[in-house]
Amino acid sequence: EAQVTQNPRYLITVTGKKLTVTCSQNMNHEYMSWYRQDPGLGLRQIYYSMNVEVTDKGDVPEGYKVSRKEKRNFPLILESPSPNQTSLYFCASSLTGAREQYFGPGTRLTVT
Amino acid sequence: GENVEQHPSTLSVQEGDSAVIKCTYSDSASNYFPWYKQELGKRPQLIIDIRSNVGEKKDQRIAVTLNKTAKHFSLHITETQPEDSAVYFCAASNPGTYKYIFGTGTRLKVLA
Repeated sequence: EAQVTQNPRYLITVTGKKLTVTCSQNMNHEYMSWYRQDPGLGLRQIYYSMNVEVTDKGDVPEGYKVSRKEKRNFPLILESPSPNQTSLYFCASSLTGAREQYFGPGTRLTVT
Repeated sequence: GENVEQHPSTLSVQEGDSAVIKCTYSDSASNYFPWYKQELGKRPQLIIDIRSNVGEKKDQRIAVTLNKTAKHFSLHITETQPEDSAVYFCAASNPGTYKYIFGTGTRLKVLA
């Protein structure tokens, strides 16, 4: 089944404790992206990747890191999480940049 | 920075009526404009998209129109049904960067 998976789905953590949210797709898509969703603010792009080893900043990259070592994986790293990073995070992938994006199920992160 | 304004933020219509959601983008280089539907607790899913070389696109009860001069595009849903109730997001993508800017969303309620 073609899909985008994220793990974990829910995470409660404390300020400053490094964490990684994994994202994987099995559709051989070149483009992958991370978004955060906050009430009233819609979806905001954090980072995106056009292909392996190519990543670029979205609108809200501060406090996040990404890597794209393999085509199928695009982990999101929060090296020192803060409460303002409490949010719902979505990973998405598409065949190329300007095509339908397939979203993962979301990761609800709470930083206390 | 670049932005996409989306209106209205909430919209209630009677079943069978039409619904229109409007978006305005600031980056004149944008050339790909998707619309996503997000049901409560679910991930966003593409419902229709349009590219800048087309002025209108239809898919059954859904249509999107694009006015490049005004940097404005709209989603039209005809003969609305209760299952159309969801949050709808517009987005714009720049072909040079493939960065996405999303609108803040419209919560559509279709009243039976």
